[in-house]
Amino acid sequence: SYVLTQPPSVSVAPGKTARITCGRNNIGSKSVHWYQQKPGQAPVLVIYYDSDRPSGIPERFSGSNSGNTAALTISRVEAGDEADYYCQVWDNSSDPPYVFGTGTKVTVL
Amino acid sequence: QVQLVQSGADVKKPGASVKVSCKASGYTFTSFYMHWVRQAPGQGLEWMGMINPSDNSTTYAQKFQGRVTMTRDTSTSTVYMELRSLRSEDTAVYYCARGVQPHFFDYWGQGTLVTVSS
Repeated sequence: SYVLTQPPSVSVAPGKTARITCGRNNIGSKSVHWYQQKPGQAPVLVIYYDSDRPSGIPERFSGSNSGNTAALTISRVEAGDEADYYCQVWDNSSDPPYVFGTGTKVTVL
Repeated sequence: QVQLVQSGADVKKPGASVKVSCKASGYTFTSFYMHWVRQAPGQGLEWMGMINPSDNSTTYAQKFQGRVTMTRDTSTSTVYMELRSLRSEDTAVYYCARGVQPHFFDYWGQGTLVTVSS
């Protein structure tokens, strides 16, 4: 089945940069979207179409997608960024057509 | 503002059915698909299926075919997800999420915990 591979965890000091990857063969040919999920809360869209930010999401959040890897970058990390992050793609040739990554826990040191 | 408000937590016995509701407000209900995504305790997100409120058409993940039914009531702007023949592995938080077709989900409900236990 379709697998989007993310590192289980990323640790980062406040003020530094966190980079979360999402890997699959030729993922660069798909649109990748990213969600932030804090404990006990519903996911929140933070990046769509690889690099677009919804209104209300800080500019510190950015995305990229090329080749076999998509990435979510969080600059100037704050304590409030501590959460699980999931990538997601739509592929109408697969079942299910909506696939989430394995998830990455970001810990702010 | 867009809001998706789900029904409350539920406890079911194995073999039973559960029906979760999701009431939408703040936008034109029939203009956006609604999806259902679930999350088992400590696990990741899993897409279950979607409904087009405009024509009541549905698409389900093969894993849930035959066990899930999604419906809508346009008079109350509410979508429903019924899951039958529950087993312990169905214990999860179930989310409704508005779809920006065909690609992503821009608003999510607060989640409904369904516990399956004898």
